[in-house]
Amino acid sequence: GNSVTQMEGPVTLSEEAFLTINCTYTATGYPSLFWYVQYPGEGLQLLLKATKADDKGSNKGFEATYRKETTSFHLEKGSVQVSDSAVYFCALSAVADKLIFGTGTRLQVFP
Amino acid sequence: DTEVTQTPKHLVMGMTNKKSLKCEQHMGHRAMYWYKQKAKKPPELMFVYSYEKLSINESVPSRFSPECPNSSLLNLHLHALQPEDSALYLCASSVRTGTDPYEQYFGPGTRLTVT
Repeated sequence: GNSVTQMEGPVTLSEEAFLTINCTYTATGYPSLFWYVQYPGEGLQLLLKATKADDKGSNKGFEATYRKETTSFHLEKGSVQVSDSAVYFCALSAVADKLIFGTGTRLQVFP
Repeated sequence: DTEVTQTPKHLVMGMTNKKSLKCEQHMGHRAMYWYKQKAKKPPELMFVYSYEKLSINESVPSRFSPECPNSSLLNLHLHALQPEDSALYLCASSVRTGTDPYEQYFGPGTRLTVT
């Protein structure tokens, strides 16, 4: 079946460090891929998306590239800020209305 | 306007109470969703409404009863809940349902505590 695997957290970084959060997926067909972010006490916000192989999604300095050959969609940011501290969820959609989430990765950024 | 609103923000209810959660969007989206999220876990899909009709029920207990009065509004009626139902309840909407996997936009959630 379809599934998403994320690296376990927490990921702890100093401000201005480079961020990578790994995400790999298993799916039949050609899923769309998403990164959502959840700040403490809030709902999920769509951070970026990619709908086909080699697409690069980007938003607020975050990027992720849809790699079909490695079934990956790793999230990267060149210089993190304290305000980026949150839980990040990788998700895929291969069947209408069904978002499959990874377990989430908590990012903690210290000044 | 890309906002999904949910009320109330917090709700405490006893196991014999009846309460309702409300979700609203004015983006013209035709699919709306209810999710349940426990602490440190990803959201779990509960219900999907497509064009105001219930299209997916993920085997949710009958003490949760969804309702979609119109294309902008989604309710979740709660009755005889158990303490293990305490969670963050998230509403989401998307442009439309069908074969294209459109992204979903989430509300801020209602934090429910069952005592």
